[in-house]
Order: sequence, then structure tokens, then C-alpha cells
Amino acid sequence: NAGVMQNPRHLVRRRGQEARLRCSPMKGHSHVYWYRQLPEEGLKFMVYLQKENIIDESGMPKERFSAEFPKEGPSILRIQQVVRGDSAAYFCASSVQGTGGYTFGSGTRLTVV
Amino acid sequence: DQQVKQNSPSLSVQEGRISILNCDYTNSMFDYFLWYKKYPAEGPTFLISISSIKDKNEDGRFTVFLNKSAKHLSLHIVPSQPGDSAVYFCAARGLNAGGTSYGKLTFGQGTILTVHP
Repeated sequence: NAGVMQNPRHLVRRRGQEARLRCSPMKGHSHVYWYRQLPEEGLKFMVYLQKENIIDESGMPKERFSAEFPKEGPSILRIQQVVRGDSAAYFCASSVQGTGGYTFGSGTRLTVV
Repeated sequence: DQQVKQNSPSLSVQEGRISILNCDYTNSMFDYFLWYKKYPAEGPTFLISISSIKDKNEDGRFTVFLNKSAKHLSLHIVPSQPGDSAVYFCAARGLNAGGTSYGKLTFGQGTILTVHP
């Protein structure tokens, strides 16, 4: 039973490009959470999704960021027109129920040059 | 607004001694608290948790204490081992608008623990 799979592990984008980060939750998990960790900081909540629904996106920047968790396939965090300040580690977590008990993936490290 | 704070950026301990990591929070609606351990280039891994209705939870070498009146929790590791060297994050779970627990976690900034042989 594979854990939470995130890909790519490392992503380099030039300013203005788009970044797509993928997260496949653990088998049987229908709740997905995205967190961002900026250098020297803790993890900050971004968005909480269930299949085909966004439950809480209170941590998402209002512009350029979007997330989805389709009926089939992985959850996608999309960042349009990336800027240097988007450089961070992005972690996905999944759970069976929406009450915690997370399993985290290994993260995607986004570098914007 | 930092609702969960870990005021010690780092802690250095000798192998075999006790490590005490501290965490303070401000939101009295948090109902569940967790500690995660993180190695470089990996995701956080769950370590131990405690419900707000308890004041202590123990799992092997790890014990978490909760003082609700002080809005303070601590993680004790005894005896400490070099393999415990990592970043430790305190996290808290809150209630949604309907008063039901749900999975959004608020994390502290982390404490880097170094255990020397």
C-alpha cells in the first residue's frame, strides 16, 4: 500500500511559467490537503479537498493559485505565472476522514528562477 | 496571526538525556494537538497526539503533556537518541463553523532537535 505520492519531487520554473504539482492520496483516502512551507517557516494550510469538491480554500492566495481533486486521477495544485516568492516546499496529505489523521507525502520543492 | 507558536528554534541535548519541546497556542477552540517529526527532504511524519480532554498521552519514549489553562503543550522524549535529531512541529486541529472537528491543521514554526552522541 503505497503512501501519499507527490510528483515531481523537484520542479524548476522560470518567472511567468505555470507550475503543476500532483498528489496521489493513499488508497482509500478521499480527503486531500495541501500545505506550503516557506524557508525557515512552519507548514501553512492552503486548501482542503474531497473528490470533486473544494471544502476549504481559506489558505490559498486569491490569484494565480488553484486546486482540484477530480473523480479520477490525482489532486493537482496549479500555480500560474509563478514568481520568486512561490519558491517553497509544497506538501500534500491525505486521510480517510476529514478529521485529521494525516499521512503526508514527501513534498514537491518548487524553485522559481 | 500566529496561533501556534514554538518559541525555541533549536534544542541541543546529550544522548540518553531528556528532550523537552514546547508549544503554545492562542485559540481555545483547538480540540486536538499533534506532534510531527520531519527529516530534511521528507514530509512530516506523525509522532503522537493528544485530545483536549486529556492532559497526558504516552507512547514509548514519547509523552505529550497538555495544560489547557496555560494553552501550552510539551513533548518529552526520554531517553533521547541521535536518530531523534530532526525538526519537530507542533500542530493543532480546530472546529469548523458548525462546531465539528475537521482536518485543517495549524502548525508551529518548528524546533530543530539535535541529539549528540
